[in-house]
Amino acid sequence: NAGVTQTPKFQVLKTGQSMTLQCAQDMNHNSMYWYRQDPGMGLRLIYYSASEGTTDKGEVPNGYNVSRLNKREFSLRLESAAPSQTSVYFCASSEVKYSPLHFGNGTRLTVT
Amino acid sequence: EDQVTQSPEALRLQEGESSSLNCSYTVSGLRGLFWYRQDPGKGPEFLFTLYSAGEEKEKERLKATLTKKESFLHITAPKPEDSATYLCAVHPQGEYGNKLVFGAGTILRVKS
Repeated sequence: NAGVTQTPKFQVLKTGQSMTLQCAQDMNHNSMYWYRQDPGMGLRLIYYSASEGTTDKGEVPNGYNVSRLNKREFSLRLESAAPSQTSVYFCASSEVKYSPLHFGNGTRLTVT
Repeated sequence: EDQVTQSPEALRLQEGESSSLNCSYTVSGLRGLFWYRQDPGKGPEFLFTLYSAGEEKEKERLKATLTKKESFLHITAPKPEDSATYLCAVHPQGEYGNKLVFGAGTILRVKS
């Protein structure tokens, strides 16, 4: 049982480049989330999708876009990467909106 | 503003030396408090959910407790394999979806 799978695991971008982070879950969960984790700070919510077909902004949405492609997949796009977006990005899912989160193993992104 | 503060930032224990981690929170109302464990290079792994003051949950050498202002994660007779970062998160009352507010974590090292 894979759980939550994120690709790629590592990525280096130059300022201004774009990329999409992919996330898929095989637990039939309704809700999916994108967080970023920076040293000394807690995980911060970028965007979430409470159910298929819906998305909403979290605490730090600027510079990002998301797509809930279907129930399984939730992607995060950086249209024009900036050094401030250097971080570790985690995708998570939950069965319903108040149940515990299940996290992937992250994408480590460096923007130079 | 909803806030979560974890202390200490780092803790070093000898194998068998029991201790506690603290999670203090300030929220307008608490729907739930979560504890997660995060190993290096991995995503957070769910441990416990606590919903009301006085509630306790146990799992192996870990016991989580909750008061109206803080939660403690007690570690009894820890082993080296308990070394990890422990994250606390709160789900504020009235928040749509699963918009958790995370603390920065406590890094625990247990030496044999």
